[in-house]
This record gives sequence, C-alpha cells and structure tokens, in this order.
Amino acid sequence: NAGVTQTPKFQVLKTGQSMTLQCAQDMNHNSMYWYRQDPGMGLRLIYYSASEGTTDKGEVPNGYNVSRLNKREFSLRLESAAPSQTSVYFCASRTSGRASNTGELFFGEGSRLTVL
Amino acid sequence: GENVEQHPSTLSVQEGDSAVIKCTYSDSASNYFPWYKQELGKRPQLIIDIRSNVGEKKDQRIAVTLNKTAKHFSLHITETQPEDSAVYFCAAPVDRGSTLGRLYFGRGTQLTVWP
Repeated sequence: NAGVTQTPKFQVLKTGQSMTLQCAQDMNHNSMYWYRQDPGMGLRLIYYSASEGTTDKGEVPNGYNVSRLNKREFSLRLESAAPSQTSVYFCASRTSGRASNTGELFFGEGSRLTVL
Repeated sequence: GENVEQHPSTLSVQEGDSAVIKCTYSDSASNYFPWYKQELGKRPQLIIDIRSNVGEKKDQRIAVTLNKTAKHFSLHITETQPEDSAVYFCAAPVDRGSTLGRLYFGRGTQLTVWP
C-alpha cells in the first residue's frame, strides 16, 4: 500500500505558466482534498471532493481548478501561475460513511511549488 | 463557514514539562475535532481526535479536552520529550453536522522541547 501519492515533489514555474499536480490514493477512500501550506498560515483547503464526480470549493479556491478523474485520482490545476501560489501543496484522502470511526485524513508527502 | 483559531503560535518547554495548545471554533454544530502533528519536512499525521459527545480523551502522554459551551478544545502533552518537537494543528469540520466533510485547520503551533 503506497497510501497517498502526489507528483511532482518539486516544481519551478514562471508567472503565467500552467501545470497540474497529480494525486492518487490506493486506500479506496471516497473523499479527497487539496490543501496548501504557507508559513504562519497553517493548512488551507483549496478544493474538496466528497466522492467520484463531485467537487466543492474550500477556503482559497481562486486560481485553481480540480478534476476528480475516478475514485483513486484527484488533480489540481493552476491555469496561469502567480507568485502568490508559491507554496507546499498537500493532497489528502479519507473514507466516509459508517465505515470510518475516526475520519482520519491521510496526507501525501507534499509538492513544493515555486512561481517566479 | 468554520473559523478555527489556534494559540499559541510558538511554545517552548523544558523536557519533562507539560504543553497545552488551545483552539476555538465558531460553528456550534461542529462535532469532530482532530489534532495533527507535522515533523519538519514531513506530512501531517493524526495523533488524536475527539467527538462532541465526549469531554476528554487520552492516549498515553497526550489528551484532548473539549468544552462545547465555550467552543474550545485543547491538546495536552505531559512529560514532554525532544521528539515531541513539531508543528501541531487543530481542525474542525465545516459542513454542519458532518464528521467527514470539509475540514479546516488552525494556523499551527510550533512546539520546541529543550533537553
């Protein structure tokens, strides 16, 4: 079991370039999340997907789009990168419904993105 | 939506002392309160959580207390050790009455335990 896998781990972009962060989980979880982490700001939710075929905005969705490709995969796209999007991005997943006792979020290792 | 405030932002303690981190939340319907630990360069990991039908939960040296009336919950670490040094995050759900929907995090507390 690899858990939550996200790629790439590091990326440098120029302002205006686009890119997609990929995330996949092998735990058969229904819910998937994208967070960004900035110094002093904690983890802020960008987008959330409760199940395959659904997505919902979080706290800071502007400048991002997401796709829940199937139950395993949830990608985050920056259409026109800006320096303010320099951050560490974490994908996470958890199960939902009566099967879960704790609602634990499982995080990927993170993707460090720098926009010049 | 939910507003989660966490204090203090930094905390330094001597090895063996106790550490307490507090969080407040705004949505009275929130019913699930987890705490995550993030070591330097690593991913956040769940260390303990509590549901709103319980006032306190313990797991060895860590405990979480919940005061629903005041809408705050706290993480208590006793007999701290250098390996407890990390950033700790509290969180609360956004979607009313839902344990497993969107989760908003506090800004984190950098805990340093000095030997």
